[in-house]
Amino acid sequence: QVQLVQSGAEVKKPGSSVKVSCKASGGTFSSYAFSWVRQAPGQGLEWMGGIIPIFGTTNYAQKFQGRVTITADESTSTSYVELSSLRSEDTAVYYCAVSISIVVVEAATRARSMDVWGQGTTVTVSS
Amino acid sequence: QSALTQPASVSGSPGQSITISCTGTSSDVGGYKYVSWYQQHPGKAPKLMIYDVSNRPSGVSNRFSGSKSGNTASLTISGLQAEDEADYYCSSYTTSTTLEVFGTGTKVTVL
Repeated sequence: QVQLVQSGAEVKKPGSSVKVSCKASGGTFSSYAFSWVRQAPGQGLEWMGGIIPIFGTTNYAQKFQGRVTITADESTSTSYVELSSLRSEDTAVYYCAVSISIVVVEAATRARSMDVWGQGTTVTVSS
Repeated sequence: QSALTQPASVSGSPGQSITISCTGTSSDVGGYKYVSWYQQHPGKAPKLMIYDVSNRPSGVSNRFSGSKSGNTASLTISGLQAEDEADYYCSSYTTSTTLEVFGTGTKVTVL
C-alpha cells in the first residue's frame, strides 16, 4: 500500500514562491498519477493540477496556469508542487494524492480518482 | 468552472440512512463515470470512499454506496454511525479548463 509523506509547514512573504514535496513509499512510483489539491481555511477542496510520471504529462487548472509547476522525481519517488507570486489568498493546506489507476478521458490520460492522500502541508502567506 | 453543488448540511440519527446529492452538468457529472466521493474529518486529510460513481475501495464499509442519475450523483450512508460525522466532497472530471472539479462539500451530523 502506497504511503505519502509531505514536507513541513511554510511561512512565506507575498510575492515569493513555495515548493512543497510529497514522498511516496510502497508500490511503483512511475505508474502512479499524482494530484495536488488545496484547502483554504474553512473552505472546500480545490484541484490544482496533476502529473503522470510514466507519461511525463502534467495538467493544471486554468486558475493556476502560469503560477504553478508540478514535477516528479522518480529517483527519490517524490512529487513537488511549486506556486509562485504568492498572495494572502494562497494561504491553505496543500495536499498531494495518488491514483494507482490511470484512465484515458477525451484522449488524455488522467488519474482515475485520488486513492491515497498525504497528511497535508500548511502554507501561510503573510507580510 | 463552478464547484459542483452539494447541500451544506445533512443530518440523521444513528442507524438511519442519509443521502448527499452532487449536482453538476453534462460537461462533468452527467457526461462521465469518473465521479468520486471523499470523507474528511476535522483536521485530517480526505479519504476516498467511492470511485467511478459506485465502486468502493477495499476497506471502505459497505454502508457507503454511490449512484448517478443524469447530472446528479448521490452518496448514501446507511446504518449511520457516530464515526460517519464528517465533511463529504464529491468530485468529477470536467471538460472545462479546470479538468477536475470538487463539490461544495456537505457536513454530515449524527444526531
